[in-house]
Amino acid sequence: DADVTQTPRNRITKTGKRIMLECSQTKGHDRMYWYRQDPGLGLRLIYYSFDVKDINKGEISDGYSVSRQAQAKFSLSLESAIPNQTALYFCATQGTSTDTQYFGPGTRLTVL
Amino acid sequence: EDQVTQSPEALRLQEGESSSLNCSYTVSGLRGLFWYRQDPGKGPEFLFTLYSAGEEKEKERLKATLTKKESFLHITAPKPEDSATYLCAAFTQGGSEKLVFGKGTKLTVNP
Repeated sequence: DADVTQTPRNRITKTGKRIMLECSQTKGHDRMYWYRQDPGLGLRLIYYSFDVKDINKGEISDGYSVSRQAQAKFSLSLESAIPNQTALYFCATQGTSTDTQYFGPGTRLTVL
Repeated sequence: EDQVTQSPEALRLQEGESSSLNCSYTVSGLRGLFWYRQDPGKGPEFLFTLYSAGEEKEKERLKATLTKKESFLHITAPKPEDSATYLCAAFTQGGSEKLVFGKGTKLTVNP
C-alpha cells in the first residue's frame, strides 16, 4: 500500500462549487503540505501543517482552506472553485527528524 | 526572493549519451538541495539530498553534485527508462522553512 494517498485522483467540477481534496498518510510524519503544479510554473506551496494544531499559509493560499483532522489526515478545500484553480494538486509529508518530503500520487482537478 | 532555476527546460538524448542537468539557486539560507524525479501523471519521487558544497551522491546512472551556487545532476549512459522530468528544490532555513522548486527539466532518452 502507498504511504501517502490522495482522493480523488481526478475531479471535474463547475465554477462556484465547493471541493475537498483529501490526503492520508501511514508514514507517521507530523508535517504535511499541499502544493499545486501548473505547466511552466512548477510546484507552489499552498498550505502546510507542522502538527494538528499548527496550520500555516504558503505562497498561494488565497481561495483555499485546509483542515488537519488528525496526524495522518490533511484536507484541502476550494470554497468556490474557479477555472484558474485547474491544476495538479499534491500532498506531501515530512518527518521531524528528516528534511525529505514524500509526495502523494496527486489529484488532477479541472474547473469548468 | 528565494529562487531556483533549472536548465535546460527540455533535453533529448540518445541512449548511452551522457549529459548534465543544471540547477542554480538564490536563497536566503540553504539547508539542503533536493532532486526529485517525476513521471507523467505521478507525484515527485525523491532521489537525493545534498547539504554542503562539494558533496556528491550517486544512484545507478545518476550522480548529483553541489556547489555554493548550483547543483548538477549527471546522467551517465542513460536508458529510455530514465526519461522523466527532474525537479530541483532548495530547502530554505530561517523564518519559514520551505522547499522552493525549480520548474524542472524534461528529459527524453531515445533508444
